Amino acid sequence: DGGITQSPKYLFRKEGQNVTLSCEQNLNHDAMYWYRQDPGQGLRLIYYSQIVNDFQKGDIAEGYSVSREKKESFPLTVTSAQKNPTAFYLCASSTVFEKLFFGSGTQLSVL
Amino acid sequence: ILNVEQSPQSLHVQEGDSTNFTCSFPSSNFYALHWYRWETAKSPEALFVMTLNGDEKKKGRISATLNTKEGYSYLYIKGSQPEDSATYLCALRFNNAGNMLTFGGGTRLMVKP
Repeated sequence: DGGITQSPKYLFRKEGQNVTLSCEQNLNHDAMYWYRQDPGQGLRLIYYSQIVNDFQKGDIAEGYSVSREKKESFPLTVTSAQKNPTAFYLCASSTVFEKLFFGSGTQLSVL
Repeated sequence: ILNVEQSPQSLHVQEGDSTNFTCSFPSSNFYALHWYRWETAKSPEALFVMTLNGDEKKKGRISATLNTKEGYSYLYIKGSQPEDSATYLCALRFNNAGNMLTFGGGTRLMVKP
């Protein structure tokens, strides 16, 4: 089945620790995205990538980093510089300028 | 940051009621508008992608209209059913924002049987 796989479903971060959220897609999409959702708020864009080895900052990129070494994969690292990382993280992919297909999300919490 | 506003934030209706909600956006630099439905414990799914002023799209009991000149889109649900309960998200692509998709805060719809 084609789709987007995010892992893990739940993740706990200790203070000062970097953690990495995985996102893999087998839809052959060029574009991939990371969004963050906080309770009662909409989706805010962290980073997006339109092509391998290229990515752009979204509205709230500070404290996050990404890589796009393969078309299928777009991992997100939440660094220790992100002081308020507790949120629900959604990964998505699309052909450029078309509708998004979303993963099932990762809930990140701070211990 | 370009603002996309959705109203109301939440809505409770009875089964069988028809309902509608609004997505408002800056009309300049408009490229495309997306509607997504996000059911609890599932992933958001695309309902419509709309690009032309006056565009109307329909999928079963759900339809949407677009007015790019005044900067709004309406989503209508005819004869709401409990399975329509979800958060409905509106998102915009703007001409000067590359491939970025900016989301509104969503409208949470709850349909009581």
